[in-house]
Amino acid sequence: SAVISQKPSRDICQRGTSLTIQCQVDSQVTMMFWYRQQPGQSLTLIATANQGSEATYESGFVIDKFPISRPNLTFSTLTVSNMSPEDSSIYLCSVVPSGGSRTDTQYFGPGTRLTVL
Amino acid sequence: GNSVTQMEGPVTLSEEAFLTINCTYTATGYPSLFWYVQYPGEGLQLLLKATKADDKGSNKGFEATYRKETTSFHLEKGSVQVSDSAVYFCALSDNDYKLSFGAGTTVTVRA
Repeated sequence: SAVISQKPSRDICQRGTSLTIQCQVDSQVTMMFWYRQQPGQSLTLIATANQGSEATYESGFVIDKFPISRPNLTFSTLTVSNMSPEDSSIYLCSVVPSGGSRTDTQYFGPGTRLTVL
Repeated sequence: GNSVTQMEGPVTLSEEAFLTINCTYTATGYPSLFWYVQYPGEGLQLLLKATKADDKGSNKGFEATYRKETTSFHLEKGSVQVSDSAVYFCALSDNDYKLSFGAGTTVTVRA
């Protein structure tokens, strides 16, 4: 298994500003992902955080809006840039433990609840 | 592409009632199937999974069987408790590890 922490747990931000969310894992992991859960909605994958290289973004998400870093196998950040009220969501990171396969459990962090005014 | 269609909620039940949440999927390959649960105020956690056709996943009295012929993975529990009140998500993962989620079903169990 993997224990995941996220900082901050919640924040209230003004439109036009940026927020960086941190995801820390207690062990090295193969894959790290960032998801968004808009109010009352399901989870949508934003991107795959690749260690030492640029993240891979899903359709509808771009690097300028959601820059992602992953400097090592246990840590990643997601920045929500130039925020608008539509960015109000819960942002979650998830991981697949090292050596894991596609059938393995994907573990989720507790989430960061972002409100943009 | 991959997609998951999940029974619309919300669902309200009395304690000890039978619960079924329907889930069907579309996938190009041979996906693994998951049910995740989100209890009030808590993070998302895996409830059960099945990785190939006819597998049955089970946990905490919940069961789901991977039905390739009907592309379904319905969640069932024979006797629910108040503590089962949560949001349930059906999800699939294909060769690339990425999870595709259903819309989520909110279940409320009354004492």
